[in-house]
Amino acid sequence: NAGVTQTPKFQVLKTGQSMTLQCAQDMNHEYMSWYRQDPGMGLRLIHYSVGAGITDQGEVPNGYNVSRSTTEDFPLRLLSAAPSQTSVYFCASTHSPSGGNTEAFFGQGTRLTVV
Amino acid sequence: TQLLEQSPQFLSIQEGENLTVYCNSSSVFSSLQWYRQEPGEGPVLLVTVVTGGEVKKLKRLTFQFGDARKDSSLHITAAQPGDTGLYLCAGARGDDKIIFGKGTRLHILP
Repeated sequence: NAGVTQTPKFQVLKTGQSMTLQCAQDMNHEYMSWYRQDPGMGLRLIHYSVGAGITDQGEVPNGYNVSRSTTEDFPLRLLSAAPSQTSVYFCASTHSPSGGNTEAFFGQGTRLTVV
Repeated sequence: TQLLEQSPQFLSIQEGENLTVYCNSSSVFSSLQWYRQEPGEGPVLLVTVVTGGEVKKLKRLTFQFGDARKDSSLHITAAQPGDTGLYLCAGARGDDKIIFGKGTRLHILP
């Protein structure tokens, strides 16, 4: 099972450049989310989606866009990269955001550096 | 505002000792989870607790959910070097957001 696949694993951007972080899951999960992880800050929720066509903002959404055209894919877009967006990004999917079946499956992460 | 406060942030102890890590909040959660993360990897689920007062055991790890479903603890008995890692608690509040604490970085000295 592939689970959650994130690409790329590493990326260096110049300030002002745009890029898309790809995330795909093959578990037919409705709920997908993006987090960023910075030293000493744990995982902070950027955007999430409860199903195809539905997205919403998390704790730190500024500077990021998402879309959910299919159940499988949930790309994260940086429109104009800034050094403050240097971080490790994780995509996760789960069967349900509430109740007893909330186990989140994570991708391997994307280490992004903005110079 | 950090909804889930984990303590301690860092912990370094000798092999064989016991330890407890705490996850506290002023919010009520419908469920709470503990994850462990290795360097260069995504977090991996250890346990989910759903019922207030619930206690779950996973070998030498004991997890407890507070009666009011606002806090949780992770207790490790006779810690081993293989327990070294970043431990994260995460909570689902019922508003479709799964929120993580800042994590406890645990280092077990052989």
